[in-house]
Amino acid sequence: GAGVSQSPSNKVTEKGKDVELRCDPISGHTALYWYRQRLGQGLEFLIYFQGNSAPDKSGLPSDRFSAERTGESVSTLTIQRTQQEDSAVYLCASSIRTSGLYNEQFFGPGTRLTVL
Amino acid sequence: KNQVEQSPQSLIILEGKNCTLQCNYTVSPFSNLRWYKQDTGRGPVSLTIMTFSENTKSNGRYTATLDADTKQSSLHITASQLSDSASYICVVILRTNTGGFKTIFGAGTRLFVKA
Repeated sequence: GAGVSQSPSNKVTEKGKDVELRCDPISGHTALYWYRQRLGQGLEFLIYFQGNSAPDKSGLPSDRFSAERTGESVSTLTIQRTQQEDSAVYLCASSIRTSGLYNEQFFGPGTRLTVL
Repeated sequence: KNQVEQSPQSLIILEGKNCTLQCNYTVSPFSNLRWYKQDTGRGPVSLTIMTFSENTKSNGRYTATLDADTKQSSLHITASQLSDSASYICVVILRTNTGGFKTIFGAGTRLFVKA
């Protein structure tokens, strides 16, 4: 089956503009995660959706960042009034929530955002 | 504080040689530990997963070890190939007090395999 897909693969924008990044999780995966990865650095957790529960937004760096997910399908990450420090690869992952230990996350290819 | 530290930050080896990457963590309560491989420009892909009771897990030329007492893990790559050039990320999952899971990522080790 298809893996996690993200679009666009690359996005170049001007400082101050808003951007929307899209993630299509694996069908049947109830959990969806967004991460940010700056050049040469590790993954930074942003937000987590699990089914119809309230999302865990504890990783969002500022109120310019927001994300939505409709049910157990597509998610969009929105960055308003982009700043140069927002330049990074934004990775999306999905997982099957299980009652056990093995909620492995499957990652998409990422969206590379460049803010000029 | 829940942290995952990896060493070295980067490593250069010759094709055919072995190498070992290290991961130390201070995550509690521990659930499981994973190693991911991330090729340049791609998302991470899972290599191994180990629970508290597992000491070693292999996946082809990759062998991960776990010492839950000292909170250390290693990833050993045997007979390295050029395609092993990537970042290797250690990920530790902990149980939250609400019964959920939280994922802590290490910063990764960047491996360069040269011909």
